[in-house]
Amino acid sequence: EVQLVESGGGLVQPGGSLRLSCAVSGFTFSSYWMHWVRQAPGKGLVWVSRINSDGSSTSYADSVKGRFTISRDNAKNTLYLQMNSLRVEDTAVYHCARDPHYYDSSGDRHWYFDLWGRGTLVTVSS
Amino acid sequence: DIQMTQSPSTLSASVGDRVTITCRASQSISSWLAWYQQKPGKAPNLLIFKASSLESGVPSRFSGSGSGTEFTLTISSLQPDDFATYYCQQYNSYWTFGGGTKVEIK
Repeated sequence: EVQLVESGGGLVQPGGSLRLSCAVSGFTFSSYWMHWVRQAPGKGLVWVSRINSDGSSTSYADSVKGRFTISRDNAKNTLYLQMNSLRVEDTAVYHCARDPHYYDSSGDRHWYFDLWGRGTLVTVSS
Repeated sequence: DIQMTQSPSTLSASVGDRVTITCRASQSISSWLAWYQQKPGKAPNLLIFKASSLESGVPSRFSGSGSGTEFTLTISSLQPDDFATYYCQQYNSYWTFGGGTKVEIK
C-alpha cells in the first residue's frame, strides 16, 4: 500500500527537542522530494521544510530555520525532522508529504504534494 | 514571500449546490497552483494541480480555473462527502498555502 506514516510526536517542554519520523511504503522513496507541513490546532497548513531526492539540498521556513533539520535515509525509506529549541508556537500536527518534483515534456512543473500522511501531534508546553 | 488569500473562510451550502472558492496570490504565480481537500483528523488530499488539471481519481464535479493572481475551485453539485476544508497552495516560489475554506452543511 502506498502510504506515509508519521511518528515521534508527543509532549515536550519549551526549549526541548524531538525527532519526528515519516515511514514510507509502496513507492520508490528515493525518486521523490519530501516535505514537512504543520497545522496548529484549528488552523491552516503551513509549509515547514523540504529535502530533495538524494538528501543533498534542503530548505526551511524562516520560523524554523536554525532550529529544525530535515534529513532522509533512502535505504530505510524514512524521512526525519529533528526539532530543537522548541517553542510553544511550534505546537501542531506535523504532516509529511510527497512531491514528485519534475518538469514534464510540456515544461509544466509537478511540484505539488500528491501524497500526505495523517500527521503526528507535537505539543510544546510547560 | 508569496501570500495566498482564500475567500470565504467559511461557506454554508446544501447538497446539490454549486460552490465556488476563490484564492488570490500576492504576485503572479502563473498556473502553479494546487487545491487540496482535508477532513478532520485526516491527511490532506490533492484535488487539482496546475490550476485546472484534475488529479487522477478525483470526481469530475471538481474543477479549477485561473492564472496569474486569481484562481477558483468550483464544485458543480455538492455531495455529502464534499463537506470539508479546502486549501489552495502556490508552488511558483517555494510553497505557500491559503488560510482554508470550510464548507459546512447549511
